[in-house]
Amino acid sequence: GQNIDQPTEMTATEGAIVQINCTYQTSGFNGLFWYQQHAGEAPTFLSYNVLDGLEEKGRFSSFLSRSKGYSYLLLKELQMKDSASYLCAVIDSNYQLIWGAGTKLIIKP
Amino acid sequence: ETGVTQTPRHLVMGMTNKKSLKCEQHLGHNAMYWYKQSAKKPLELMFVYNFKEQTENNSVPSRFSPECPNSSHLFLHLHTLQPEDSALYLCASSQDRGDPAEEQFFGPGTRLTVL
Repeated sequence: GQNIDQPTEMTATEGAIVQINCTYQTSGFNGLFWYQQHAGEAPTFLSYNVLDGLEEKGRFSSFLSRSKGYSYLLLKELQMKDSASYLCAVIDSNYQLIWGAGTKLIIKP
Repeated sequence: ETGVTQTPRHLVMGMTNKKSLKCEQHLGHNAMYWYKQSAKKPLELMFVYNFKEQTENNSVPSRFSPECPNSSHLFLHLHTLQPEDSALYLCASSQDRGDPAEEQFFGPGTRLTVL
C-alpha cells in the first residue's frame, strides 16, 4: 500500500528552528508538496520538490531525498503565526496525490 | 483569500436531510476537486472534475452526489448521510488536471456535522 508518515504533533519555541519530517512509500514518485493549514482555514501551498536537494524560500526550506523516500520542511526564526498543521503530499506514478495526515506545530513564546 | 470560496462554512444536518455544499473559484482554473478531511487523517480525494467532466470518483458512497455546471462552480449534494460522514469538506481547484506539479488552491471548507 501507499503510505505517508509525518509526526502527529511538534512543539517549538518562538525564534527557534524546527524540522518537520515526511517519509513516503508510494508506487512511483512524481513530486512532493508541502502545504500549511491554519486551524479553520484552507491549506495553502508552501513548496514543491521533484529533484533531490534543498529548496529555500525565505524562512521556509524544503528538502528531498528520493533514494531515501524522505523529505523535510525546515522553518527558521519561528513566529507565533507559524502555529499550524503542515501537510506532506506525494504524487505517485499514476499522478495521484497521496496525502499525509499532517503535523500540528505548536509554537510557544 | 485563495480565490476559492465555499458555502456554507458550517452545516448541521440530520440523517434524513438533503443539503448541498457550494464551491466557487475565481481563478479561471479548469480542474476542481472535493476532499474530505477528518481529524488526524489524511485528506481523502472524493471527486475530480476537469473541464466540467468528472474524471475521478474514488469509491465514494452514492449518498454524495457531485455536480459541476461550469468550470467555476462545483456542488456536493448530500442525502441520507451517516454520523461518520461528519468532517471538513474542502474544495480545491488547479489550472488543469494534466500537470501533477500544479499547486491546488483550496477553499476554507464546510464543517459538516451529521446528527
